[in-house]
Amino acid sequence: AQSVAQPEDQVNVAEGNPLTVKCTYSVSGNPYLFWYVQYPNRGLQFLLKYITGDNLVKGSYGFEAEFNKSQTSFHLKKPSALVSDSALYFCAVRLDRGSYKLIFGSGTRLLVRP
Amino acid sequence: EPEVTQTPSHQVTQMGQEVILRCVPISNHLYFYWYRQILGQKVEFLVSFYNNEISEKSEIFDDQFSVERPDGSNFTLKIRSTKLEDSAMYFCASRLPGQAYEQYFGPGTRLTVT
Repeated sequence: AQSVAQPEDQVNVAEGNPLTVKCTYSVSGNPYLFWYVQYPNRGLQFLLKYITGDNLVKGSYGFEAEFNKSQTSFHLKKPSALVSDSALYFCAVRLDRGSYKLIFGSGTRLLVRP
Repeated sequence: EPEVTQTPSHQVTQMGQEVILRCVPISNHLYFYWYRQILGQKVEFLVSFYNNEISEKSEIFDDQFSVERPDGSNFTLKIRSTKLEDSAMYFCASRLPGQAYEQYFGPGTRLTVT
């Protein structure tokens, strides 16, 4: 069965410092991987995806993520965090077949302090 | 930029009552989804819908749930007889055809069953 793990409930980082939010996955078959962000009382906003090709993918708001097949990871990164990046981040995986439903991780709360 | 919209933003209902949650997907999208997020828990897949029929549903999506696209624009989720444990945030999502495309989520409807 497919699953996604986000091992950290919360990540704290100072503004201007690099941030990493971790995600590992377990699927049979080729994974399609996604990051979404949720601000308070808002829906899920798409940040970036890995479908195929370059392992480093770039997305919205300066975020990027690196796909590592051997470690089954898809960590979200940003070189310089902003206070406005503080939100709940969800990693999700989808198979390359079927209904393309998303399987979400439990979410990681990112807190960027001034 | 086109968005997925959902109404109402908050619905309060008594146990045993029927509720209908409404979504207007992005206009050229063809695949539609419902997910739910119980407070403090993961976002969970409920159902996917394509070409006027359910393409996949989860174990959560039992006989009390139904979906339809009555008029070519709205996409609804009906819960026939609500239970306390149905209290959650319900998200609608849609996407373009083709496996490379991401899902776009609406802002959600918070359902409170009392």
